[in-house]
Amino acid sequence: AQSVTQPDIHITVSEGASLELRCNYSYGATPYLFWYVQSPGQGLQLLLKYFSGDTLVQGIKGFEAEFKRSQSSFNLRKPSVHWSDAAEYFCAVGNGAGSYQLTFGKGTKLSVIP
Amino acid sequence: GAVVSQHPSWVICKSGTSVKIECRSLDFQATTMFWYRQFPKQSLMLMATSNEGSKATYEQGVEKDKFLINHASLTLSTLTVTSAHPEDSSFYICSAPDRGGYTFGSGTRLTVV
Repeated sequence: AQSVTQPDIHITVSEGASLELRCNYSYGATPYLFWYVQSPGQGLQLLLKYFSGDTLVQGIKGFEAEFKRSQSSFNLRKPSVHWSDAAEYFCAVGNGAGSYQLTFGKGTKLSVIP
Repeated sequence: GAVVSQHPSWVICKSGTSVKIECRSLDFQATTMFWYRQFPKQSLMLMATSNEGSKATYEQGVEKDKFLINHASLTLSTLTVTSAHPEDSSFYICSAPDRGGYTFGSGTRLTVV
């Protein structure tokens, strides 16, 4: 069964600092990987996704993520965090066999200090 | 881009009553709709998968008689929480696969009093 681990429950960074949110997955084949952001009481917004090809993926709002098969990781990065980035971030892995089922990590809450 | 409209955004109901949540795909056909439940400060847990014109598939531990799912058309899927109880209070989110991956509704906050 597929699974996703986000080791950090809560991260606090200063505005302007760099950010890296960790994500490790377990999946038997080539995974479909996603990062979503959720503001309180809201739905999920897709930041970026990896299906195949270039392992460094660019997303919206200045985010990027790198797929590392050898480490089973898909860490999310941003070079300079803005106060508006404070939210909950979820990493998810999709079933590449076509059933489209997503499995989510438990999320990482990002707090930004002005 | 693809949009899934979810209504209502929030609802408060009395214990024992039923609540219907609707998810509509606005500019694409959603043959499949995933229904998730999210408890406060926790991740999304898949409850069930609905497919247009067929019975929904429920995840282990989810009561199919309590959480009725209907997917009558390619643009509408509904989740009805029957005989709601306070423990059903949660955030419910739907999601449909599209060409770009998955599109999520904005969620429904259900509070049962």
